[in-house]
Amino acid sequence: EVQLVESGGNLVQPGRSLGLSCTGSGFTFGDYGMSWVRQAPGKGLEWVGFIGSKAYAGTTLYAASVKGRFTISRDDSKSIAYLQMNSLKTEDTALYFCTRGYGTNSGLYWGQGTLVTVSS
Amino acid sequence: DVVMTQSPLSLPVTLGQPASISCRSSQSLVHSDGNTYLNWFQQRPGQSPRRLIYKVSNRDSGVPDRFSGSGSGTDFTLKITRVEAEDVGVYYCMQGTHWPWTFGQGTKVEIK
Repeated sequence: EVQLVESGGNLVQPGRSLGLSCTGSGFTFGDYGMSWVRQAPGKGLEWVGFIGSKAYAGTTLYAASVKGRFTISRDDSKSIAYLQMNSLKTEDTALYFCTRGYGTNSGLYWGQGTLVTVSS
Repeated sequence: DVVMTQSPLSLPVTLGQPASISCRSSQSLVHSDGNTYLNWFQQRPGQSPRRLIYKVSNRDSGVPDRFSGSGSGTDFTLKITRVEAEDVGVYYCMQGTHWPWTFGQGTKVEIK
């Protein structure tokens, strides 16, 4: 059974950093691109960024709202995708989901999300 | 960025009646590989999104056949033939053709 589990969410002050993890199981992690999607309280879904599989040289892509502040990486030996968030702003407050895949496979599997609250 | 516009944003429906959600994109979603990467998601209260439809009209495994997707180019529709109580939630379209991937604003389906 495919499972994605996010972790690392926390309360953090504006301007500080926080790292999130997404651990996959039940599939060959290294074969899939992984995305991060967030949802601010009571709001819709916003795609944050993507990291390709090794076959795509681990290419990363980011939404304009986080480019230069957020970095996605992966460790296929541990089946983990990471989201490093720097210079956090109050508007980054959201539930952060990871989701697997690209193209036809995009969005089929999601984690339960991890909550990031940016507040002083 | 490709703007995805859903309508209506709120959809009160009587149980057993049909429902339809429109999704329009600001540019064609036909990929250079010939596919159209338009997905539909359902998000029930307190849950993660669940993919219902991929590539416009393909229903995911386990999705009831009362859900169907159609459309092409820039105009897409999600239809529910007979709404059931478990269909309450917010529905999103999402395009995966152009970077960045973008979602519609969401349509809240509720029972009258």
